Amino acid sequence: DTAVSQTPKYLVTQMGNDKSIKCEQNLGHDTMYWYKQDSKKFLKIMFSYNNKELIINETVPNRFSPKSPDKAHLNLHINSLELGDSAVYFCASSQDAASGELFFGEGSRLTVL
Amino acid sequence: QQQVKQSPQSLIVQKGGISIINCAYENTAFDYFPWYQQFPGKGPALLIAIRPDVSEKKEGRFTISFNKSAKQFSLHIMDSQPGDSATYFCAARVYKLIFGTGTRLQVFP
Repeated sequence: DTAVSQTPKYLVTQMGNDKSIKCEQNLGHDTMYWYKQDSKKFLKIMFSYNNKELIINETVPNRFSPKSPDKAHLNLHINSLELGDSAVYFCASSQDAASGELFFGEGSRLTVL
Repeated sequence: QQQVKQSPQSLIVQKGGISIINCAYENTAFDYFPWYQQFPGKGPALLIAIRPDVSEKKEGRFTISFNKSAKQFSLHIMDSQPGDSATYFCAARVYKLIFGTGTRLQVFP
């Protein structure tokens, strides 16, 4: 039973399109995150939600919009995709916002052509 | 000040050898220092973590050494095995986790 699951695992799309990635956690955690991992493997936090409330919003273009319908789900919608958006996007969750133990999903590899 | 500097970028070790990865930080507000292990095609997973009031933590073959005055911490993998081949990330927490740049470890038989 997967703890943090993301869909889709792979996304290939054209520049200018809009796409969404969905994430669900069954750990009962309060806090969820989106991280971006680029081609050099750098991991950078994008957003964090605690009990459906946005608590971290890094300097990410407005084209990225997270949504948390409930504390078990966190989705990421990306408008007007650009070449530089190609990366692996990881969803993660933690017990609470203070916890440093994050549980990551397997990632969604986005390729923008 | 929010950065965590990690070295080396890549490491090749013989089976049975010791793997050592180093990290350094500037922000004294960091209060938790975990190490994450990532296998290809998978998400990072917590390996071991330490708080700044402790100088060493050992779990099996994995040890974190922490030097608060030098603002440095390191991961030692004793008796390295081919199954340890992965990318390792140090991290530090203030109100969010900040990751180092990663070290790709390859352990050859």
